[in-house]
Amino acid sequence: EDQVTQSPEALRLQEGESSSLNCSYTVSGLRGLFWYRQDPGKGPEFLFTLYSAGEEKEKERLKATLTKKESFLHITAPKPEDSATYLCAVQGFNTNAGKSTFGDGTTLTVKP
Amino acid sequence: GAVVSQHPSRVICKSGTSVKIECRSLDFQATTMFWYRQFPKKSLMLMATSNEGSKATYEQGVEKDKFLINHASLTLSTLTVTSAHPEDSSFYICSATQGSPGQPQHFGDGTRLSIL
Repeated sequence: EDQVTQSPEALRLQEGESSSLNCSYTVSGLRGLFWYRQDPGKGPEFLFTLYSAGEEKEKERLKATLTKKESFLHITAPKPEDSATYLCAVQGFNTNAGKSTFGDGTTLTVKP
Repeated sequence: GAVVSQHPSRVICKSGTSVKIECRSLDFQATTMFWYRQFPKKSLMLMATSNEGSKATYEQGVEKDKFLINHASLTLSTLTVTSAHPEDSSFYICSATQGSPGQPQHFGDGTRLSIL
């Protein structure tokens, strides 16, 4: 069974203070690892897909990296508008129909 | 691209009422759609997987007679909460995927259901 563990559960940063969120996973053959951002009262918004170890993706202040066991979401010089819950999910080869296993998320708060 | 629209965004109704929630993929064909329930400050709980033209696959513990799912076309899936009770109050979110392996899910904005 695929498993995803995210840490920390909550992270509070000052504006401009860079940090990283961790997503550890176990999967029998990785089809894809996904990062999403969820604002309160909204559905998750897709950010990145990573497919193989060593791959990196960037978008504005966010960079996602992938190893064989974990993924990091690096946030550089965050702003208050980056405050949200960040979800990590994996899709394995043994999973049917595009189903993903989600972590519990990291809630990021960036103070001005 | 990859926009999913969910409607309504909020429903308040009396106990015993049935409520229908629609999920539409606006700019792509969604072979597979998913329905989730999310409790406050908790992660997504998958309720069922819906494939166009076939019966939905429900997760263990989800009552299929209570939560009726229909995926009649490649752009529309509906969730009907039948004879809703206060314990069914929750945030329901749908997602859609283009179906190829390794594709991400694209989510609607959710429906806040409150049963009085």
